[in-house]
Amino acid sequence: AQSVAQPEDQVNVAEGNPLTVKCTYSVSGNPYLFWYVQYPNRGLQFLLKYITGDNLVKGSYGFEAEFNKSQTSFHLKKPSALVSDSALYFCAVSPGRYGGSQGNLIFGKGTKLSVKP
Amino acid sequence: DAGVIQSPRHEVTEMGQEVTLRCKPISGHDYLFWYRQTMMRGLELLIYFNNNVPIDDSGMPEDRFSAKMPNASFSTLKIQPSEPRDSAVYFCASSGTGDYNEQFFGPGTRLTVL
Repeated sequence: AQSVAQPEDQVNVAEGNPLTVKCTYSVSGNPYLFWYVQYPNRGLQFLLKYITGDNLVKGSYGFEAEFNKSQTSFHLKKPSALVSDSALYFCAVSPGRYGGSQGNLIFGKGTKLSVKP
Repeated sequence: DAGVIQSPRHEVTEMGQEVTLRCKPISGHDYLFWYRQTMMRGLELLIYFNNNVPIDDSGMPEDRFSAKMPNASFSTLKIQPSEPRDSAVYFCASSGTGDYNEQFFGPGTRLTVL
C-alpha cells in the first residue's frame, strides 16, 4: 500500500542550528515527492518538490530536501533555522506518472517544528 | 491568479443546521480536493474530483456529508445535519494534470458547530 511516514511529531531546534525533518515513503514506481508548510491559521503552502534528476532539491525560504531512493526517504533540511520557520510541515508523495495515482497526493501526519531563540 | 478561493472563512452554526462550504479552484486545474483538519485526526482527504467527476469519496465520514462540482470553477461541501464533532478546518485544494500532482490549497473554512 502507498504510504508516507513522518516519524517525529515534533522537532525542537535552537535558532541558527541546522534542522532536519524526516520523511520516508512507500510507493510503487518512481515517486513524486513534496514538502508543504502550514503556518498557524493558514492553508498549506508548497515548499519544494522532487520529480526527477538531482537528488538535492532546493525550495522556498532556504529549505532543501534530499531524495534517497535506497532508503526511500525525502528529509527536509535547512542549514540555519529561524524562529519564523516554526510551523507544521507535511511530506507528501504521489506514485508518479505511471503509478496510477489519479492525481492524488498521500500526506504524512505532519511534524511540528519549533525553533527557539 | 487569485489562488484557490474558499468561503466563508469562518462559520459558526448550531447542531442540526445545514452547512455549505464553497470553493473556487484555480482556473485551468482539473483536480479538486476537499480535506478536513483537526487536532485529533490531522489532515484527512474527504473526496476529490477530476474534471468535475468524483473519483474517490471514501474519506467522506458519513451520509451527512455530500460534495458536488457542478462546473469546473465551483464546488460545494455540504453537511446536513451538522454535529459538534464536525467542527474542524475544511480545506479545498486544486491541481492540474501537468503539475506532477502538486496541490494548491485555499485558506480554509473554520467550522464551529455548537
